[in-house]
Amino acid sequence: AQSVSQHNHHVILSEAASLELGCNYSYGGTVNLFWYVQYPGQHLQLLLKYFSGDPLVKGIKGFEAEFIKSKFSFNLRKPSVQWSDTAEYFCAVIGFSGGYNKLIFGAGTRLAVHP
Amino acid sequence: EAQVTQNPRYLITVTGKKLTVTCSQNMNHEYMSWYRQDPGLGLRQIYYSMNVEVTDKGDVPEGYKVSRKEKRNFPLILESPSPNQTSLYFCASSLGLGQGGNQPQHFGDGTRLSIL
Repeated sequence: AQSVSQHNHHVILSEAASLELGCNYSYGGTVNLFWYVQYPGQHLQLLLKYFSGDPLVKGIKGFEAEFIKSKFSFNLRKPSVQWSDTAEYFCAVIGFSGGYNKLIFGAGTRLAVHP
Repeated sequence: EAQVTQNPRYLITVTGKKLTVTCSQNMNHEYMSWYRQDPGLGLRQIYYSMNVEVTDKGDVPEGYKVSRKEKRNFPLILESPSPNQTSLYFCASSLGLGQGGNQPQHFGDGTRLSIL
């Protein structure tokens, strides 16, 4: 069965620090990968997505993620975080197996950025 | 404006009292889905619908029902709510998630249910 693992449940950083959130998935076939962000009290919003091509994907607000197929990973990065990046981040994967393909979410990583 | 609208946003009710959470989208999306979000568990899919009159169970369907009589609406029904259904619920829609379907989902603002 497909699964998504996010290594860090809580991350605390100071402003201007660099960020890397880990995401690993278990599925051997073709995948599409997503990172969603949920700001406090709000719904999930798409941060970035990978479908094919360049494994380094750039998203909104200075975020990027790198798909490393050999490691089944899709880690999210940002060189310099801001207080406004305080939110919960979810990695999600669709594994294509014919017919209906389900979107599976990780448990989420809660990021707190201190001024 | 493209939207997924859920109602109510907040509800406190008692065990056993039937309730319905409505979800409506204005993007003509075929695919709609309900998730519940619980701390440390991320989002878990309850039910999904590929199109009108086509629904199927997700990962945690017990205690829930859905219907898809129209393309835009996908209500979530709790026939006899119990305290373990206290959670934050999200409705989502997208153009499709079938083979080759790689459209991101659009989420509603969430419904926080408390079952006493």
